[in-house]
Amino acid sequence: QSVLTQPPSASGTPGQRVTISCSGSSSNIGRNFVYWYQQLPGTAPKLLIYRNTQRPSGVPDRFSGSKSGTSASLAISGLRSEDEADYYCVTWDDSLSGVVFGGGTKLTVL
Amino acid sequence: QVQLQESGPGLVKPSETLSLTCTVSGVSISSYYWSWLRQPPGKGLEWIGYMHYSGSTKYNSSLKSRVTISVDTSKNQFSLNLTSVTAADTAVYYCARDRPGEGYFDPWGQGTLVTVSS
Repeated sequence: QSVLTQPPSASGTPGQRVTISCSGSSSNIGRNFVYWYQQLPGTAPKLLIYRNTQRPSGVPDRFSGSKSGTSASLAISGLRSEDEADYYCVTWDDSLSGVVFGGGTKLTVL
Repeated sequence: QVQLQESGPGLVKPSETLSLTCTVSGVSISSYYWSWLRQPPGKGLEWIGYMHYSGSTKYNSSLKSRVTISVDTSKNQFSLNLTSVTAADTAVYYCARDRPGEGYFDPWGQGTLVTVSS
């Protein structure tokens, strides 16, 4: 059971906009930055969004992050086949004094 | 650019100690914090702990009694020791650069699969 809650799966067709939610609590998302990672099949995770809304250089602006209260979301617009991957939300938990992950969302591009 | 590479045995026997090394290139290991993470086959990611060359460490409370992360600045490497392993410790183990207290990991190593089996 993950500390952060994500839907196990999401899907969309090419060109569509998809959002992935991440729900936490006041001890984690409510007080700390949220990070998003993309894991393509058979590869290591890659930083996608940092500090709730920021994109590292090289990440397309089709990817955007937001946070409100104890929840966060990742939005992917103009969906492409190469976006098919697992997506994880991550943050620090003050009560656990450690990093916590969501269970991951498998995105399928139909 | 910063690159990380994990190395170590791919097979460990139950009750023994899992030992892995992460070699960092492109930056001095003294400049940042560094973490170990893992991912059991077909499952999600788990943070194991981080270290700083100064000796500062922090571990996942669920693994704390079995984990030690240490550094060798002369080789620009840091290491993971996980004692008393069981089949539940079978996973791909990753090392990554860290910002403590955030959840920031970038970049990551390619990962190494460690199987616990007799």
